[in-house]
Amino acid sequence: DQQVKQNSPSLSVQEGRISILNCDYTNSMFDYFLWYKKYPAEGPTFLISISSIKDKNEDGRFTVFLNKSAKHLSLHIVPSQPGDSAVYFCAASARNSGNTPLVFGKGTRLSVIA
Amino acid sequence: GAVVSQHPSWVICKSGTSVKIECRSLDFQATTMFWYRQFPKQSLMLMATSNEGSKATYEQGVEKDKFLINHASLTLSTLTVTSAHPEDSSFYICSARLAGGGRGEQFFGPGTRLTVL
Repeated sequence: DQQVKQNSPSLSVQEGRISILNCDYTNSMFDYFLWYKKYPAEGPTFLISISSIKDKNEDGRFTVFLNKSAKHLSLHIVPSQPGDSAVYFCAASARNSGNTPLVFGKGTRLSVIA
Repeated sequence: GAVVSQHPSWVICKSGTSVKIECRSLDFQATTMFWYRQFPKQSLMLMATSNEGSKATYEQGVEKDKFLINHASLTLSTLTVTSAHPEDSSFYICSARLAGGGRGEQFFGPGTRLTVL
């Protein structure tokens, strides 16, 4: 049973346009969400996070939106740049999860076309 | 801050040999580290959770006698692939959480590419 789902395995966007990556979750205990970016042959790097007490968090070109009632979050990148081409993983954790690992989605490969 | 290193970054070995991969948290202490593997064009697969001073917790389907994990200190965890076979060829990534806190972030190492001939 996948608790964090990224239903789009890939996405292509023109340079300068907005990229929207989506993520859905099923576990209502999740209250902290993160996005990671991964280039080939490298480890994932933390990008941005959001707590369930917020519905939006912005950091430069990256904004994460959280819709708790729909159990849905999205990552917006605007404007998209060729260097943003990577695999993006959505992850989630619950407040009392202790030392359990983050639950990751399967990732969405973003290609930004110049 | 929060840098995780892995060594080696890549290794090629013959079938039947054992390979040790080190994961270090360079500027923070990590009571818990996680080991993942990633096949080409696939998602991260959690292999095990490594706890400092205690036995690792393995995910279903991961052979604990084949993938030996030791977490001897708050800054070092090792993964040893014993009697490696070509099907063990993969990209292995470790991750660490801050000890005593850290709301949720896991910091990842750069990964180790293992090729078994």
